[in-house]
Amino acid sequence: KQEVTQIPAALSVPEGENLVLNCSFTDSAIYNLQWFRQDPGKGLTSLLLIQSSQREQTSGRLNASLDKSSGRSTLYIAASQPGDSATYLCAAEDSGAGSYQLTFGKGTKLSVIP
Amino acid sequence: EPEVTQTPSHQVTQMGQEVILRCVPISNHLYFYWYRQILGQKVEFLVSFYNNEISEKSEIFDDQFSVERPDGSNFTLKIRSTKLEDSAMYFCASRITGPLDEQYFGPGTRLTVT
Repeated sequence: KQEVTQIPAALSVPEGENLVLNCSFTDSAIYNLQWFRQDPGKGLTSLLLIQSSQREQTSGRLNASLDKSSGRSTLYIAASQPGDSATYLCAAEDSGAGSYQLTFGKGTKLSVIP
Repeated sequence: EPEVTQTPSHQVTQMGQEVILRCVPISNHLYFYWYRQILGQKVEFLVSFYNNEISEKSEIFDDQFSVERPDGSNFTLKIRSTKLEDSAMYFCASRITGPLDEQYFGPGTRLTVT
């Protein structure tokens, strides 16, 4: 059964810093790895999806990498802003037969201090 | 930009009552999902739906739960006899095709069972 872990659970940084959020998964047989943002009491906003054949994806100040063999993904946020404050979730989609479901980590709560 | 919508945003019900949570997926999407998030815990997969039938369900999705696509636009989750432990945020998601695509999430319905 897939398990997804995110470290750290919480992170506080001053505005302007670059930062890295970590995600690890136990079963490397995945279709893709998706990163989400969740604001308090709100839904999930998709940030980036990395397919299993890809090594990284970029969107603006965000860059996500995937290393399937080691079961790791990282989300890099450049030049952080107070508006980036949110919980960031990673989710792995398994490639087991008929298994098209996301398994989520518990998230990293990011606070960017002005 | 098209988005997944959910109604109601908040539902309060008494234990033992039936509730129906409603979702309107993005119009050209073919795969539909329900997830839930108990306060402070991970987002958990409940069920996936494709071609008018359940394609996969989790251990959580027992006989008290059912899903339906009653027309071409709505996708519903019914809980037959609610329990206190069903209190959670319920998210609907959809995607165009299979696991190479992103899942797009709705804003969620907060269900409170008293």
